[in-house]
Amino acid sequence: LAKTTQPISMDSYEGQEVNITCSHNNIATNDYITWYQQFPSQGPRFIIQGYKTKVTNEVASLFIPADRKSSTLSLPRVSLSDTAVYYCLVGDNGAGSYQLTFGKGTKLSVIP
Amino acid sequence: DTAVSQTPKYLVTQMGNDKSIKCEQNLGHDTMYWYKQDSKKFLKIMFSYNNKELIINETVPNRFSPKSPDKAHLNLHINSLELGDSAVYFCASSQSGTGSYEQYFGPGTRLTVT
Repeated sequence: LAKTTQPISMDSYEGQEVNITCSHNNIATNDYITWYQQFPSQGPRFIIQGYKTKVTNEVASLFIPADRKSSTLSLPRVSLSDTAVYYCLVGDNGAGSYQLTFGKGTKLSVIP
Repeated sequence: DTAVSQTPKYLVTQMGNDKSIKCEQNLGHDTMYWYKQDSKKFLKIMFSYNNKELIINETVPNRFSPKSPDKAHLNLHINSLELGDSAVYFCASSQSGTGSYEQYFGPGTRLTVT
């Protein structure tokens, strides 16, 4: 079955860099890798998107190796307000059919 | 102005009832989606519509039917509600592009079936 996997949870102290990795072995050839942030009782919010190598915006960086079977979201110098659940989203060609698939989310807890 | 709005925010109903959730986006996007988020916070796509055509239809029960009167609206109608339908339902929209899924989500509708 198609699978997108990411760690269930991570803890970090304020001011540290946090890296969250998502594996997506069956990513569709033309699809981007997209990451979202979700706070309790809110809808997911777009953070960053990339196709290959490295993408950086004012919020995060996204590292994608050449084979595109994984991606790493990097949050520089996290603060308490970064405590949230982070999801990766890819188009997945596993099991012979195309599916738009979210990872199960990584709950990031930032500690003072 | 809210980019993607959903109504109602909360919906409590009994098993067997029929209910609808409305979604509207004012971003000018051409694609809209419905997602279900269960108690474990897993997000699963249910439907997407592009220019009034269904382009992804996951293996959801046929009690669920999306209806799009125009490209700014995608409503979700649910027949014969079951306990397992209790979840948070999110609407989202995006502008179609090859492989790009920068989506904008609504605030969610928490459905509770008793």
